[in-house]
Amino acid sequence: SQQGEEDPQALSIQEGENATMNCSYKTSINNLQWYRQNSGRGLVHLILIRSNEREKHSGRLRVTLDTSKKSSSLLITASRAADTASYFCATVTNTNAGKSTFGDGTTLTVKP
Amino acid sequence: GAVVSQHPSWVICKSGTSVKIECRSLDFQATTMFWYRQFPKQSLMLMATSNEGSKATYEQGVEKDKFLINHASLTLSTLTVTSAHPEDSSFYICRAGTSGRPSSEYNEQFFGPGTRLTVL
Repeated sequence: SQQGEEDPQALSIQEGENATMNCSYKTSINNLQWYRQNSGRGLVHLILIRSNEREKHSGRLRVTLDTSKKSSSLLITASRAADTASYFCATVTNTNAGKSTFGDGTTLTVKP
Repeated sequence: GAVVSQHPSWVICKSGTSVKIECRSLDFQATTMFWYRQFPKQSLMLMATSNEGSKATYEQGVEKDKFLINHASLTLSTLTVTSAHPEDSSFYICRAGTSGRPSSEYNEQFFGPGTRLTVL
C-alpha cells in the first residue's frame, strides 16, 4: 500500500477561503514533500520539510510535520481558482537514495 | 537548478509495439532513477528503481520483462514498454535522485515532466 495517505480525497471551497490537506505516513522518513499536479500535467514541487523541522512557509503555503503522529498538513491560504489541482504528499526515506512513495492525493477545487 | 527532461512527452502506438521513454538529468549526475506510473485520477505508483550501471529493482507486481529499464549513464535512463497493450496506457514519470549525499541532504527530488502513453 502507499506510504502516504491524504485526507480528504476531495475538497471544494470558495475563492479566498483556506484549504487544508492532511497526509499520514507509516514509516520513518528523511523528509516529506508536497507536490501539485494540474489535470493531465506533470508534477510541480511545492515544498519540502525535513524530519527535524516542524513547520515551513512558502508564500501562501504552510506545511507542518508531526513525526510523532507521522502526519503532515498543507495549508493554502487565501485560495485562488488557479489553485485548483491535485495535491500529493511524498515521503522520502533514509534508505535507497531517497526512495519516495506518494499518497493518494487530494483533489482541490477552488470556485471563483 | 536541476532539470530533468523526458522524451517523448506523449506517444500513441498500436498494440503489440514497443515504446521507449527517455529520462535525462540535464545538469547533475543522477545516480538513481525512479520510474513511476500514474493512471487517470490516481496517484503515482513506483514501478522500479535503477542505479547507474546496475540492474533495476522492480516493485512487487511490476513485470520486469515488460518494463525494461536501462540506466547506462549518470544522465540517462530509459524505460521501454515492450509489446504494449491498451492497459499499459498511462502517464509515466521519472525522477532523478542523487545518492552519495548525507542523508540529511536529500534535496528536492526532481521529476521529469512525464510521458503520456496511449496504446490503441
